[in-house]
Amino acid sequence: EAGVAQSPRYKIIEKRQSVAFWCNPISGHATLYWYQQILGQGPKLLIQFQNNGVVDDSQLPKDRFSAERLKGVDSTLKIQPAKLEDSAVYLCASSFYWRGGGNNEQFFGPGTRLTVL
Amino acid sequence: KQEVTQIPAALSVPEGENLVLNCSFTDSAIYNLQWFRQDPGKGLTSLLLIQSSQREQTSGRLNASLDKSSGRSTLYIAASQPGDSATYLCPYTGGFKTIFGAGTRLFVKA
Repeated sequence: EAGVAQSPRYKIIEKRQSVAFWCNPISGHATLYWYQQILGQGPKLLIQFQNNGVVDDSQLPKDRFSAERLKGVDSTLKIQPAKLEDSAVYLCASSFYWRGGGNNEQFFGPGTRLTVL
Repeated sequence: KQEVTQIPAALSVPEGENLVLNCSFTDSAIYNLQWFRQDPGKGLTSLLLIQSSQREQTSGRLNASLDKSSGRSTLYIAASQPGDSATYLCPYTGGFKTIFGAGTRLFVKA
């Protein structure tokens, strides 16, 4: 079974530029998550999709971050314009959906390391 | 506000020791509990999943337990090895929220 795929693995940009990250979840996983992990901290959930609908985006800085999952499969996270404090690893995860009381087991991709200069 | 506290924050031990890593949550309404390890510069690897109806789970040298009434989870690592060196994370999941603490950084010396 193929894991969660992310690209690019590394990205270096100047502040005020824009950047996009791509994620392809495990086949059959309806739930997709985007996390931001700043060095020395645990991941922070930015947005969670159920198929192509947003379940939670309460911690997504909507003035500069956007995410979409148009066909309910792969997803793109965009930052426009980037700030120095956006330097972090952006992790994508997916899980198989069930109608339980919370999220199912999550599987993570390798992440994209973003450096904003 | 849900917070996750992991104790200790860092740990350095000689090879062969048995270890206990602790995780606590301010809100005990935990759905399931998943322990991860993260190697430097890498993504998260799932170690164990304690389902909502379970109280513990074992895999090889790892054993994790969950006490929902107190909002605490423990990861036990038997006979530690240098390859166990990593950061260990135990996020809170409940109500479709996933909240991570800072993790426990473990270093096992050969």
